[in-house]
Amino acid sequence: GDSVTQMEGPVTLSEEAFLTINCTYTATGYPSLFWYVQYPGEGLQLLLKATKADDKGSNKGFEATYRKETTSFHLEKGSVQVSDSAVYFCALGTPSGTYKYIFGTGTRLKVLA
Amino acid sequence: NAGVTQTPKFQVLKTGQSMTLQCAQDMNHEYMSWYRQDPGMGLRLIHYSVGAGITDQGEVPNGYNVSRSTTEDFPLRLLSAAPSQTSVYFCASSYSRPVSMKMNTEAFFGQGTRLTVV
Repeated sequence: GDSVTQMEGPVTLSEEAFLTINCTYTATGYPSLFWYVQYPGEGLQLLLKATKADDKGSNKGFEATYRKETTSFHLEKGSVQVSDSAVYFCALGTPSGTYKYIFGTGTRLKVLA
Repeated sequence: NAGVTQTPKFQVLKTGQSMTLQCAQDMNHEYMSWYRQDPGMGLRLIHYSVGAGITDQGEVPNGYNVSRSTTEDFPLRLLSAAPSQTSVYFCASSYSRPVSMKMNTEAFFGQGTRLTVV
């Protein structure tokens, strides 16, 4: 069945460091791909998305490119800030009519000043 | 914009008690779903609905009931709470599309309900 695998955390970085969080997926058809962010005590917020191969989603300095050939959607940011400390979830939206979302296990990011 | 509203934010139950977690959205979304979030397991789908009067089971439906009498509301019922149901519960909503169209929309989440069963 459809699944999402993302790197385990926690990831600890110094401010201004480069961030990569790996995400790979298994799906039939052509899913949409998402990154969500969860700040402490809050719900999930959409960070960025991509709906077809080679699309690049971007928001708040974060980027991810939909790579069909490697079934990946890695999250990157060139210079992280303390305020980026959160849990990041990779997710796919199944292309069937029932509209299910499948989430990875989440990666906790801690950025130190 | 209220978006997706969940109540309560926190709840403590005794084993065997029943309760209903409320979820309401004001975006006229057809699709609504309930997830539970547990450490190291990400979000797991409990139940979902593609429109009023239509519900279906997700990955972990046992111990939970749902109904969808209106487009706006999608309550989750625990009939007899168990310690294994201690978790954070999230409600989400989104637009839905026919199978023939490509899905290109995201889910909107509520703030969550932290439930402890003792």
